[in-house]
Amino acid sequence: DTEVTQTPKHLVMGMTNKKSLKCEQHMGHRAMYWYKQKAKKPPELMFVYSYEKLSINESVPSRFSPECPNSSLLNLHLHALQPEDSALYLCASSRKEGGAGGYTFGSGTRLTVV
Amino acid sequence: GQQLNQSPQSMFIQEGEDVSMNCTSSSIFNTWLWYKQEPGEGPVLLIALYKAGELTSNGRLTAQFGITRKDSFLNISASIPSDVGIYFCAGLQETSGSRLTFGEGTQLTVNP
Repeated sequence: DTEVTQTPKHLVMGMTNKKSLKCEQHMGHRAMYWYKQKAKKPPELMFVYSYEKLSINESVPSRFSPECPNSSLLNLHLHALQPEDSALYLCASSRKEGGAGGYTFGSGTRLTVV
Repeated sequence: GQQLNQSPQSMFIQEGEDVSMNCTSSSIFNTWLWYKQEPGEGPVLLIALYKAGELTSNGRLTAQFGITRKDSFLNISASIPSDVGIYFCAGLQETSGSRLTFGEGTQLTVNP
């Protein structure tokens, strides 16, 4: 298995809703990442988990809450989002933090906040 | 943060033509990665480069890690319509930990 699987593929949520994005990989990678991507722009790093511990939080607002239940799973909990949070949310993984072997990205969750 | 200057920003070419794009920086990078992203999908790793001067091919794609460690290029030979997408370079620096620095991307359009 050489994939990073993200669910759901599309999500529409109101500003008062609570939802979660899920990411799963079975490549034995010990670093997992959340990125946010706006149209026609490069991905922007949000969070890094290394060996299930939060390693980097790029000053992301608290309405985004990451969780790494085990080495294969990464969640992003969403609450009280704003319309400007609408974007493609990408999960990625690598063998270790630092990207040796490159980062493998999932297909993303297209989030629309209404 | 550190910027990667990726050029060109967009390219419109005819099927069968060769393509060249590059990324430059004022700082040294330890790793260069080239990704392709199609609409509605995540970036897909095309080539990874780890040593200065390294030249690596993947089918019709060839990429090189610049000898100064401050640049990298990607060439696509004999383009085909399915090469359409946005190509991103990305680099890793010793001082940035796991923070990938991305270029702004090159939008490639291939006319049949």
